[in-house]
Amino acid sequence: EAQVTQNPRYLITVTGKKLTVTCSQNMNHEYMSWYRQDPGLGLRQIYYSMNVEVTDKGDVPEGYKVSRKEKRNFPLILESPSPNQTSLYFCASSLSGGLASYEQYFGPGTRLTVT
Amino acid sequence: GQNIDQPTEMTATEGAIVQINCTYQTSGFNGLFWYQQHAGEAPTFLSYNVLDGLEEKGRFSSFLSRSKGYSYLLLKELQMKDSASYLCAVTFNYQLIWGAGTKLIIKP
Repeated sequence: EAQVTQNPRYLITVTGKKLTVTCSQNMNHEYMSWYRQDPGLGLRQIYYSMNVEVTDKGDVPEGYKVSRKEKRNFPLILESPSPNQTSLYFCASSLSGGLASYEQYFGPGTRLTVT
Repeated sequence: GQNIDQPTEMTATEGAIVQINCTYQTSGFNGLFWYQQHAGEAPTFLSYNVLDGLEEKGRFSSFLSRSKGYSYLLLKELQMKDSASYLCAVTFNYQLIWGAGTKLIIKP
């Protein structure tokens, strides 16, 4: 089954404790992206990757890191989480992210709480 | 700056028609997406408009006017399962800019 998976689905952590949210897709998609979703603000892009070893900042990259060492995986790293990073996080992938834009397939989401 | 506006909430009756508007001001434009998101779930793709005009897909249609920076999503024969948030997003280069979404409430 074609899908995007994220782990964990729920996470409660404390300020400053490094964490990683994994994202994996099995569709051989080139483009992957991380979003956070907050009430009243909608989806905001954190980082995106156009292909292996190619990443770029989205609208709200501060406090986050990503890597794209393999085509299928795109982990989101919070080196020192803070309470303002409490949010619902979505990973998404699409065939390509360029001019010929394609629909994005979203993972199920990760609800992160930082206390 | 980038700006996408949608109404926060709309209410409609089962069986009726509803139009959800989206206006945008962005520094570039390749196309416009509409996604549906049920509460607690991930967004799912509805439509993608690149050229001006109306695109119809079953009960859902999407319209785009690039000169006016305007799009709408038209939902016909509303069903209770259409209760969800509808997200408008503009894509340019490799980025996606999203509106805050419109929560659609369907009443029997």
